[in-house]
Amino acid sequence: DVKVTQSSRYLVKRTGEKVFLECVQDMDHENMFWYRQDPGLGLRLIYFSYDVKMKEKGDIPEGYSVSREKKERFSLILESASTNQTSMYLCASSLTGGGDIQYFGAGTRLSVL
Amino acid sequence: GQSLEQPSEVTAVEGAIVQINCTYQTSGFYGLSWYQQHDGGAPTFLSYNALDGLEETGRFSSFLSRSDSYGYLLLQELQMKDSASYFCAVPGGGNKLTFGTGTQLKVEL
Repeated sequence: DVKVTQSSRYLVKRTGEKVFLECVQDMDHENMFWYRQDPGLGLRLIYFSYDVKMKEKGDIPEGYSVSREKKERFSLILESASTNQTSMYLCASSLTGGGDIQYFGAGTRLSVL
Repeated sequence: GQSLEQPSEVTAVEGAIVQINCTYQTSGFYGLSWYQQHDGGAPTFLSYNALDGLEETGRFSSFLSRSDSYGYLLLQELQMKDSASYFCAVPGGGNKLTFGTGTQLKVEL
């Protein structure tokens, strides 16, 4: 079974802090994704990566950056956390792109105070 | 760009059949996916339709009409455990998926 592991289930941070969300997948997938999920807004893509050191902006990249130094690991970085970044963050991976199945992690619920 | 529209909430009784609709607007179309997400859980893949017609997988079926830019997820013999949010999604530019805002299905006794 594909496993996508997010480092934290719950996280509480202060405004202005630098926040790292980590995601690891164990199936040698090429593509990895970061989404945020807010009530009534569905899943919105922040960034994705189709290869090591490659990244592309999604629909809402402002205030975020990402890092993919190894194929299995994809990190989401909030350079200076703000209260409007309080949300559920979901990581996913897929072998190929497009309509290929995306496998999701359990999510990290981030609260910025 | 891509946009998808689905109802925000659907309620049905146990044992019934329910249909969750999804209409989409895309600049190029490659298929329609469906995902299920239980409260507090991760989204999980249900089905993918690249061609017109009905695809059946057990109690769940998914339908696509490319000419109408429309699809639906059909759940039969509803069970309490089917209470969840259901998202339709379409491939976007590059390797990404664009998700709809989700339909919360409530199954009642």
